[in-house]
Amino acid sequence: EAQVTQNPRYLITVTGKKLTVTCSQNMNHEYMSWYRQDPGLGLRQIYYSMNVEVTDKGDVPEGYKVSRKEKRNFPLILESPSPNQTSLYFCASSLGVLAGELFFGEGSRLTVL
Amino acid sequence: ILNVEQSPQSLHVQEGDSTNFTCSFPSSNFYALHWYRWETAKSPEALFVMTLNGDEKKKGRISATLNTKEGYSYLYIKGSQPEDSATYLCAFIGTGGFKTIFGAGTRLFVKA
Repeated sequence: EAQVTQNPRYLITVTGKKLTVTCSQNMNHEYMSWYRQDPGLGLRQIYYSMNVEVTDKGDVPEGYKVSRKEKRNFPLILESPSPNQTSLYFCASSLGVLAGELFFGEGSRLTVL
Repeated sequence: ILNVEQSPQSLHVQEGDSTNFTCSFPSSNFYALHWYRWETAKSPEALFVMTLNGDEKKKGRISATLNTKEGYSYLYIKGSQPEDSATYLCAFIGTGGFKTIFGAGTRLFVKA
């Protein structure tokens, strides 16, 4: 089954404790991206990747890092989480940013205390 | 920062009503506009990908139009059903970079 898988789905952590949210897709998609969703603000893009080893900042990259060492994986790293990073996070992929629709993971709800 | 606006923010209709909402986006450097349907507790799912001025797309009772010269797209739902209740998102992709800019969405409630 074609899918985008995120883990963990839910996480409560404390300020400053590094964490990684994994994202994996099995559709051989070139484009992957991360979004956060906050009430009233819609989805805001954090980082995106056009292909392996190619990443770029979205609109809200501060406090986040990403890597794209393999085509299927695009982890989101919070080196030192802060309470303002409490949010619902979505990973998505597509054949190419200009090529078509995004396929979304199920979301990861992160709470930073 | 590019701005994508959707209106209305929310909409309450009765079953059987037809409805429409708007997505406004920058009219310059346009590449594509996407529409997504987002049900509560689920992930957004694509409805349409639109790239050409004048595009009209249809999927069942849902259709969309695109005007890239003036920077807007309309989403129409004919004969709304309770299962149409969801948030409808539009997303703008420009040629100036490869970012995807989402609007805040229109939340549709369809009462049986």
